[in-house]
Amino acid sequence: DAGVTQSPTHLIKTRGQQVTLRCSPKSGHDTVSWYQQALGQGPQFIFQYYEEEERQRGNFPDRFSGHQFPNYSSELNVNALLLGDSALYLCASSGEGTSPYTQYFGPGTRLTVL
Amino acid sequence: DQQVKQNSPSLRVQEGRISILNCDYTNSMFDYFLWYKKYPAEGPTFLISISSIKDKNEDGRFTVFLNKSAKHLSLHIVPSQPGDSAVYFCAASGDDKIIFGKGTRLHILP
Repeated sequence: DAGVTQSPTHLIKTRGQQVTLRCSPKSGHDTVSWYQQALGQGPQFIFQYYEEEERQRGNFPDRFSGHQFPNYSSELNVNALLLGDSALYLCASSGEGTSPYTQYFGPGTRLTVL
Repeated sequence: DQQVKQNSPSLRVQEGRISILNCDYTNSMFDYFLWYKKYPAEGPTFLISISSIKDKNEDGRFTVFLNKSAKHLSLHIVPSQPGDSAVYFCAASGDDKIIFGKGTRLHILP
């Protein structure tokens, strides 16, 4: 049973570019949350998707957007990249029958903005 | 404004002894608290949790204590093992959102 998978593992972009990160939830999970973890910080909640809709959102600008597909996989898009967007982006999934608080995290995508 | 604070960036403990990791929070509306463990190049892994209606939850070597009046929780690991060396994140949830602390790096010394 595959856990949460994320792609790519690492990514290097330049300021002003756009990036798309991908996440496949753990089998049986239908809810996907995205987090940004800057160096030396804890994960910060970006948003959560359920039934292909954004259900909750943290304090992130509209440059951060997402999507969830019918198979529950999800994408995180960041437009007009800034140097400060350099971070580890974590995807977490949860599902019916599991506490929404006990999420399963993927290994993350390390984004570097130059 | 940090709602969840882990004031010790790192902690060194001898193998076999007790490790105590601390966490403070400011928002009285938090109703669920969690600890996650993170190894390098891996995502955080859920370790143990506690509801705000309880003051203690135990799972094997791991025990979490909650002091609501002090807005403080702690994670006890007894006995500490080399595989416990990792970064530990405290997290608090309420209103369907989870707020993480900055983490404490635990080093278990042989």
